[in-house]
Amino acid sequence: ELKVEQNPLFLSMQEGKNYTIYCNYSTTSDRLYWYRQDPGKSLESLFVLLSNGAVKQEGRLMASLDTKARLSTLHITAAVHDLSATYFCAVDIIAGGGADGLTFGKGTHLIIQP
Amino acid sequence: ETGVTQSPTHLIKTRGQQVTLRCSSQSGHNTVSWYQQALGQGPQFIFQYYREEENGRGNFPPRFSGLQFPNYSSELNVNALELDDSALYLCASSLLMNTEAFFGQGTRLTVV
Repeated sequence: ELKVEQNPLFLSMQEGKNYTIYCNYSTTSDRLYWYRQDPGKSLESLFVLLSNGAVKQEGRLMASLDTKARLSTLHITAAVHDLSATYFCAVDIIAGGGADGLTFGKGTHLIIQP
Repeated sequence: ETGVTQSPTHLIKTRGQQVTLRCSSQSGHNTVSWYQQALGQGPQFIFQYYREEENGRGNFPPRFSGLQFPNYSSELNVNALELDDSALYLCASSLLMNTEAFFGQGTRLTVV
């Protein structure tokens, strides 16, 4: 059974600081995704990481993937209040010709304070 | 190009009732997946439809069922509602089975 673990699950930080969210997964994955979710809203796709060593950046967020360690990171640089949200990582695998869908972590609830 | 749309946005049902949730996939997308997100949790995969056939299912009981129509829109049906079925139900569509999925805004179901 594929398991995805995120840490920390809750993070309170000050504006201007840097921090990293970690995502570990238990088996070989085809793809790794990072999503953002605002309260009561749907999931907004941030990054799709497809291969070992992949690094993607958008604004103050940067995601990386190490498939050998089964680890992805989401790094926040010089945080601003607007980045307050819950961040999920998710992985998918295609097994036996069918689909198992995305397996999500529990999410990291990020609060950025002025 | 329209995105993934779901209806209704909010719904309140009584325990034991049945509910149908609807999803219109993004234009050109032939694969639809459904997820259940309980409060404070990550989404959990319910099932996936590809070209009107269920081709993958998560750990959900048979009272969760679905359909996909020729235009690739989809329905999620839940029978004999239980209080624990209260959740945000998310629909995601993709071009093929194993390509990036795009999520709709969700349906918030409350079972009382």
